[in-house]
Amino acid sequence: EAGVVQSPRYKIIEKKQPVAFWCNPISGHNTLYWYLQNLGQGPELLIRYENEEAVDDSQLPKDRFSAERLKGVDSTLKIQPAELGDSAVYLCASSLGTGAYNEQFFGPGTRLTVL
Amino acid sequence: SQQGEEDPQALSIQEGENATMNCSYKTSINNLQWYRQNSGRGLVHLILIRSNEREKHSGRLRVTLDTSKKSSSLLITASRAADTASYFCAPVGGYNKLIFGAGTRLAVHP
Repeated sequence: EAGVVQSPRYKIIEKKQPVAFWCNPISGHNTLYWYLQNLGQGPELLIRYENEEAVDDSQLPKDRFSAERLKGVDSTLKIQPAELGDSAVYLCASSLGTGAYNEQFFGPGTRLTVL
Repeated sequence: SQQGEEDPQALSIQEGENATMNCSYKTSINNLQWYRQNSGRGLVHLILIRSNEREKHSGRLRVTLDTSKKSSSLLITASRAADTASYFCAPVGGYNKLIFGAGTRLAVHP
């Protein structure tokens, strides 16, 4: 069974440029999560989708970050414009549902470097 | 905050030794999950222990949970170099929302 797929794996951009990350969850997983992980820290939730609906985006900096999950399958996270402080690893995860006992499966992440 | 706080921040041991990592949290939980992260395989779910369970085993992993003390521990027995990774606990209240701490960085030396 294929895991969570993310692309690109690495991205280097200059500040003020836009950037987008793509995620394809495990087939059949209705819930999709985007996390941000800074160096030496644990992942922090940015947004959670139930199918195509964003049900928890309280931690998403909406002035520059946006996300979408059209058709409730794959998802895109965008930053426009990027700032130096956005350098981090962006992780996507999926689970069958939002029940507390659902295991989250993580993708390999996209490492973003903003110069 | 429901964030898990791991202790110690870093742990260095020899192969074959046991490694114990601790986690504390502040609010009531539904369950607590442990994850491992290394550069090769990303973040991987290790084990979930429910709030009404006190101990759970999975292979060389043993997890305990003490809800009265709001703490959990992860024991890795007979450690291997491949166990070198960061380990995170994530207390879960509802809606499967994981709030990770900074993790414990484990180094197992051959």
